Amino acid sequence: DAMVIQNPRYQVTQFGKPVTLSCSQTLNHNVMYWYQQKSSQAPKLLFHYYDKDFNNEADTPDNFQSRRPNTSFCFLDIRSPGLGDAAMYLCATSRDTGGTEAFFGQGTRLTVV
Amino acid sequence: ILNVEQSPQSLHVQEGDSTNFTCSFPSSNFYALHWYRWETAKSPEALFVMTLNGDEKKKGRISATLNTKEGYSYLYIKGSQPEDSATYLCASPNAGNNRKLIWGLGTSLAVNP
Repeated sequence: DAMVIQNPRYQVTQFGKPVTLSCSQTLNHNVMYWYQQKSSQAPKLLFHYYDKDFNNEADTPDNFQSRRPNTSFCFLDIRSPGLGDAAMYLCATSRDTGGTEAFFGQGTRLTVV
Repeated sequence: ILNVEQSPQSLHVQEGDSTNFTCSFPSSNFYALHWYRWETAKSPEALFVMTLNGDEKKKGRISATLNTKEGYSYLYIKGSQPEDSATYLCASPNAGNNRKLIWGLGTSLAVNP
């Protein structure tokens, strides 16, 4: 059974139209991450939550926001998607940071038209 | 700045061949080394999380070694099968308080039947 679920698997949005990607987990993990991965590049961490504490990466554009209303759910909001935001977005969870394995969802492939 | 590098970038082998690839990372302030397998259309899946110098871990036909003093880890696949075709990613947490994972670019393995 999937333990980290991302919806939708594929999302097409219009240039500049806000879009929200969702992630849920059944593992009760403390940490939830959002990664962006573009073709042939390493996954890039956008931000993570440790419980309710939000940790933004310094180079994450302001266009990207996140919400974690409870332990199970985390959302990625892209306020005004640009063509450069087309990518695979991966959600992951872990019990703690660093030394514990991460569990990933299947990702959402975002296309901006 | 923590750089995690993987080689080779891609690899094609025949079914039954054994293969290995490398992950290198700065050896100072080492905390942990993660290996993940990412098959097409699936979630990245953790293979190993290694912390001790000289450690060797095994899962079926896949094993990994760790040298924290010289800053490298090898992943070995014995008797490769087509189902082993995937991208193999390694990651190591940085030395900061948040221990975020720094990812390599991955090794893309194709096993020909």
